[in-house]
Amino acid sequence: DVKVTQSSRYLVKRTGEKVFLECVQDMDHENMFWYRQDPGLGLRLIYFSYDVKMKEKGDIPEGYSVSREKKERFSLILESASTNQTSMYLCASSSHSDRVVGNTIYFGEGSWLTVV
Amino acid sequence: AQSVTQLGSHVSVSEGALVLLRCNYSSSVPPYLFWYVQYPNQGLQLLLKYTTGATLVKGINGFEAEFKKSETSFHLTKPSAHMSDAAEYFCAVRFSGGYQKVTFGTGTKLQVIP
Repeated sequence: DVKVTQSSRYLVKRTGEKVFLECVQDMDHENMFWYRQDPGLGLRLIYFSYDVKMKEKGDIPEGYSVSREKKERFSLILESASTNQTSMYLCASSSHSDRVVGNTIYFGEGSWLTVV
Repeated sequence: AQSVTQLGSHVSVSEGALVLLRCNYSSSVPPYLFWYVQYPNQGLQLLLKYTTGATLVKGINGFEAEFKKSETSFHLTKPSAHMSDAAEYFCAVRFSGGYQKVTFGTGTKLQVIP
């Protein structure tokens, strides 16, 4: 089974702190994603990466950055956390197979971040 | 603009009753369509997906969905609800040209009443 592991389930950080959310997948997937989930807004894509050191902005990249130095690991960085970044963050991965255009996205369990 | 809409943020059904969760998309070209389920305090898992071929798609846990191009819909159904179906359900769409990018609906929370 595909496993996407997020390093922290629950975090509490102070306004202005630098926050790292780490994600590791074990299926050799090329694509990795960071989503933010808020009630009534569904999932919104922050950033995605389709290869090592490659990244693309999603729908809401402001206030976030990402790092992908190794294929299996994708980090989300909040340079200076703010209270409006309190949310559930979901990491996901998928295969970039040309044969599977409707390929499935696999999700981690989520990281609940509270910024106070 | 391309978008996906789920009608009803909350749906309640009695145990044993039909489950119908609605999803519509806006696109001139048929996209790839997915339904995901999220149980409390967990990530999302795939229920079913439509890519090409048969328009009625069967998924896990007795769920199925039908792609209707003329109605731009992909509604999720289950003939008989179980208590264990209580969860949040997300419709998701990958529009053509969107490089690996999937757009999610706002979700529908399903409550099953004993």
